[in-house]
Amino acid sequence: NAGVTQTPKFQVLKTGQSMTLQCAQDMNHEYMSWYRQDPGMGLRLIHYSVGAGITDQGEVPNGYNVSRSTTEDFPLRLLSAAPSQTSVYFCASMTGDGYTFGSGTRLTVV
Amino acid sequence: DQQVKQNSPSLSVQEGRISILNCDYTNSMFDYFLWYKKYPAEGPTFLISISSIKDKNEDGRFTVFLNKSAKHLSLHIVPSQPGDSAVYFCAASYNFGNEKLTFGTGTRLTIIP
Repeated sequence: NAGVTQTPKFQVLKTGQSMTLQCAQDMNHEYMSWYRQDPGMGLRLIHYSVGAGITDQGEVPNGYNVSRSTTEDFPLRLLSAAPSQTSVYFCASMTGDGYTFGSGTRLTVV
Repeated sequence: DQQVKQNSPSLSVQEGRISILNCDYTNSMFDYFLWYKKYPAEGPTFLISISSIKDKNEDGRFTVFLNKSAKHLSLHIVPSQPGDSAVYFCAASYNFGNEKLTFGTGTRLTIIP
């Protein structure tokens, strides 16, 4: 039982490049979400999903796309990376008391 | 507009003493509150929660107090241990089981041996 697995752990992108942050959970949780953590800002919700085929926007969705084709996977796509997207990204799936978070992806856009 | 605020970016406490972390919120619709602990290079881990129908919840060394009229909650850790050194985030949602959490900015707690 691995919990929530995020890949990669680190990534450097050039402005304008695209990439997908992967997230997988093996707990059969319906709810999954993506947060970004920035200094002095706490964690902010990007997108979330309440089940396969259903996604919705959070507080800071611009520049990001998501899809949920299976219960297990919830990838986050950056279509054209910008320096403002430099951040630490956390994927999470929901337990009874709250979310179980992955260990994060540190993304730098230069 | 920061709806959940942690006004102390950092806090240092002597080992064995009580640590008190504070959190204020502005949205009166928030109904469920959580505390998360985060070590460097790891994701946040759930610590303790409280529903608005309670004013206190206790789990071992950790107690969360909620004052709805003041829109204030606090996390008490007693006695504090070196392993408690971490960043603590409070979070709020509209109800238990709601998938959308609003986080505070975090407080870095350092326990001094």
